[in-house]
Amino acid sequence: TQLLEQSPQFLSIQEGENLTVYCNSSSVFSSLQWYRQEPGEGPVLLVTVVTGGEVKKLKRLTFQFGDARKDSSLHITAAQPGDTGLYLCAVGGNSNYQLIWGAGTKLIIKP
Amino acid sequence: GAGVSQSPSNKVTEKGKDVELRCDPISGHTALYWYRQRLGQGLEFLIYFQGNSAPDKSGLPSDRFSAERTGESVSTLTIQRTQQEDSAVYLCASSTFEGLARNEQFFGPGTRLTVL
Repeated sequence: TQLLEQSPQFLSIQEGENLTVYCNSSSVFSSLQWYRQEPGEGPVLLVTVVTGGEVKKLKRLTFQFGDARKDSSLHITAAQPGDTGLYLCAVGGNSNYQLIWGAGTKLIIKP
Repeated sequence: GAGVSQSPSNKVTEKGKDVELRCDPISGHTALYWYRQRLGQGLEFLIYFQGNSAPDKSGLPSDRFSAERTGESVSTLTIQRTQQEDSAVYLCASSTFEGLARNEQFFGPGTRLTVL
């Protein structure tokens, strides 16, 4: 069983549509990160959330950390082809330096 | 400034051969991570280096895998007697300040390893 469950695994939508992807767990975390990975590249950090209920916005992307700090969502408004990529969530592991990663949501935005 | 670089970008090898993958972290970053990413999956932690401390090797899948780092610079990941299940993208990341989990990790583009 994965510690972090990301859903959906795959999403393909038209440019201009809105979407939400999720990162869920039964465990409580002190912080959670979202990364985006484009083909042939390493992941790039988008945001870190640390407080239950926290909402952070990055242009058209809105990130929310659940009140109980067990889950998070990423909402994209008016998706664009440049948003295409693999969206990964990650949380702290057993050590203070190790991250545990979800399997990711592969997002394709069609022009 | 320069980011994390990895070489080679692609490596095709035959089963049973040894391979060596290289990572050049961002200058000044004391923490360095190696991960494995299989197709369609998330990142699997392999090993962590922090300054001159003993590395955390708890993620290495077998004794065929080893890694070294010279001070706070270049790291090499070696896979001996490669197997087909070793085929994956191997990613390196570096970070500042003891590599705390909540600190940003900066990734290289990865090495895509294919074992025939």
